[in-house]
Amino acid sequence: GAGVSQSPSNKVTEKGKDVELRCDPISGHTALYWYRQSLGQGLEFLIYFQGNSAPDKSGLPSDRFSAERTGGSVSTLTIQRTQQEDSAVYLCASSLAPRGTEAFFGQGTRLTVV
Amino acid sequence: GESVGLHLPTLSVQEGDNSIINCAYSNSASDYFIWYKQESGKGPQFIIDIRSNMDKRQGQRVTVLLNKTVKHLSLQIAATQPGDSAVYFCAENTNDYKLSFGAGTTVTVRA
Repeated sequence: GAGVSQSPSNKVTEKGKDVELRCDPISGHTALYWYRQSLGQGLEFLIYFQGNSAPDKSGLPSDRFSAERTGGSVSTLTIQRTQQEDSAVYLCASSLAPRGTEAFFGQGTRLTVV
Repeated sequence: GESVGLHLPTLSVQEGDNSIINCAYSNSASDYFIWYKQESGKGPQFIIDIRSNMDKRQGQRVTVLLNKTVKHLSLQIAATQPGDSAVYFCAENTNDYKLSFGAGTTVTVRA
């Protein structure tokens, strides 16, 4: 596709339910990032995938959060047993190389936990 | 108008004036820096980047300045327009691969 695509664009879920957020990176981009942005705040790093290497999960806030990237392309971020503090915009980005190049962002998924 | 300090959250500037947005970065080993613009309801968009072997880089109406001595980055926007109203983030590429983002500056352009 022309850019990074994320779905859904908005998600409202009840506290305690699991949610899956999807990211389709730009074709050919080997690096993929997930960030979280709370209202009026900066971007908080969550997880990074690069090619076939083991992902860097150091930014995941708890073991309720997990992510996978299948076939080096599409990525899914899963949040189990959602809490109200999980409410935020979840942004995905991809880049052509692991560092020193621009990261392109998707529009984000706005998650609201009620 | 000019933002100063590490986390001045807002900058109000008159249309047509020049804007200066400042950012202090944390890692002396960072060698690549990007400015992003984020409009309401959208993901961050690339504005301009600079590598550590440069002090200055110019784009269309924007200039980025890098002072490695004091670990300071600035974005200058010439002849600020209403469409420039957004949140601006600086990001640094640390000595691994992560892009680490600053807190962001909200720019509001007054007509």
